[in-house]
Amino acid sequence: GQNIDQPTEMTATEGAIVQINCTYQTSGFNGLFWYQQHAGEAPTFLSYNVLDGLEEKGRFSSFLSRSKGYSYLLLKELQMKDSASYLCAVRAYNDYKLSFGAGTTVTVRA
Amino acid sequence: GAVVSQHPSRVICKSGTSVKIECRSLDFQATTMFWYRQFPKQSLMLMATSNEGSKATYEQGVEKDKFLINHASLTLSTLTVTSAHPEDSSFYICSARDIPEAFFGQGTRLTVV
Repeated sequence: GQNIDQPTEMTATEGAIVQINCTYQTSGFNGLFWYQQHAGEAPTFLSYNVLDGLEEKGRFSSFLSRSKGYSYLLLKELQMKDSASYLCAVRAYNDYKLSFGAGTTVTVRA
Repeated sequence: GAVVSQHPSRVICKSGTSVKIECRSLDFQATTMFWYRQFPKQSLMLMATSNEGSKATYEQGVEKDKFLINHASLTLSTLTVTSAHPEDSSFYICSARDIPEAFFGQGTRLTVV
């Protein structure tokens, strides 16, 4: 089975940086994903890590350490539109199902 | 990126009736699709894996006779909520597997009254 933990809520100021941590314990590993979800909408893909290290994509970066079962999503230069829920998801080896964490609600304040 | 279309986006039905939700991959073939359910302020919970041309695989605790899944073609999977009850009211989301990430449909807000 999969056990994925991430903080419930985070608040930050517009223009600041926020780091959302995710720890996981899985029976196999074939990639870690971060999705953004606005209230009442479907998740949208942000990033994918399968090897250790940092993946940078514009204002968003994601880091993975497989040995530690740890990832983080870094949001830079926060904008009001970044207020959303951020979901950490793990794909098990040889199984393309995604297991999701409970999500971290980020609130950006002016 | 790949596009997955889900329909309807919103449906209200009476208790005891059935509701069908469609999930289509528009620009790629999806041999596997996934159906999730999400209650308010909770994460996505996988209900079942839909396999083209074969039976769906249901997660533990999901009633296969209540949530009927059909994946008759490489671009369409359907989820039918049979004999719906108010506790089935939820946000249902499908996704289609692509490499490497999964793409999600827009979701269906089901309200059973």
